[in-house]
Amino acid sequence: EPEVTQTPSHQVTQMGQEVILRCVPISNHLYFYWYRQILGQKVEFLVSFYNNEISEKSEIFDDQFSVERPDGSNFTLKIRSTKLEDSAMYFCASSVVINTEAFFGQGTRLTVV
Amino acid sequence: QQQVKQSPQSLIVQKGGISIINCAYENTAFDYFPWYQQFPGKGPALLIAIRPDVSEKKEGRFTISFNKSAKQFSLHIMDSQPGDSATYFCAASMRASGSRLTFGEGTQLTVNP
Repeated sequence: EPEVTQTPSHQVTQMGQEVILRCVPISNHLYFYWYRQILGQKVEFLVSFYNNEISEKSEIFDDQFSVERPDGSNFTLKIRSTKLEDSAMYFCASSVVINTEAFFGQGTRLTVV
Repeated sequence: QQQVKQSPQSLIVQKGGISIINCAYENTAFDYFPWYQQFPGKGPALLIAIRPDVSEKKEGRFTISFNKSAKQFSLHIMDSQPGDSATYFCAASMRASGSRLTFGEGTQLTVNP
């Protein structure tokens, strides 16, 4: 069964460092998303991406964040200068078309120390 | 107006019982309402979803009831099993917002054997 794959599963980084979280969406999907979930809280939308550009972003997705689809399979989230409050689970998701089933990856647990 | 309110925060039922989780929304532009199941350390997994043109959708032991006039929808889990113990999130999205999912706060379901 096709699935969204995320790497690494856990990343520990020092405050102020740059991190790149990687995702391989389901191959025939066209819409890609990043969400985050702070421990014990609800899942929050960060950004959606379609046709090699950002479709929408939330207020969380400030200038420290960027997304990229560097090739035909990968989708990345970069945090330029990590803060302690960036510690969370980051989930990548993808969907075939707009406003339909979105499938989530297993997540990357980011710990900023 | 983008919020989705979910209740209860936690729910304990006996094996074989019915689990009911409720969600309410404000934005009438929402037109897609999925439910996700999340186990600890895993990503949200799509369980079942509904659109506002129907009042009920059933898949196996899982049923969504949708009340458009009340702007409420609920998940019913029939014959609840210990393996159903997880956190359940309702969500909502709309085509106009690029299908960003707005999640409820989550319900931690425990099914006792």
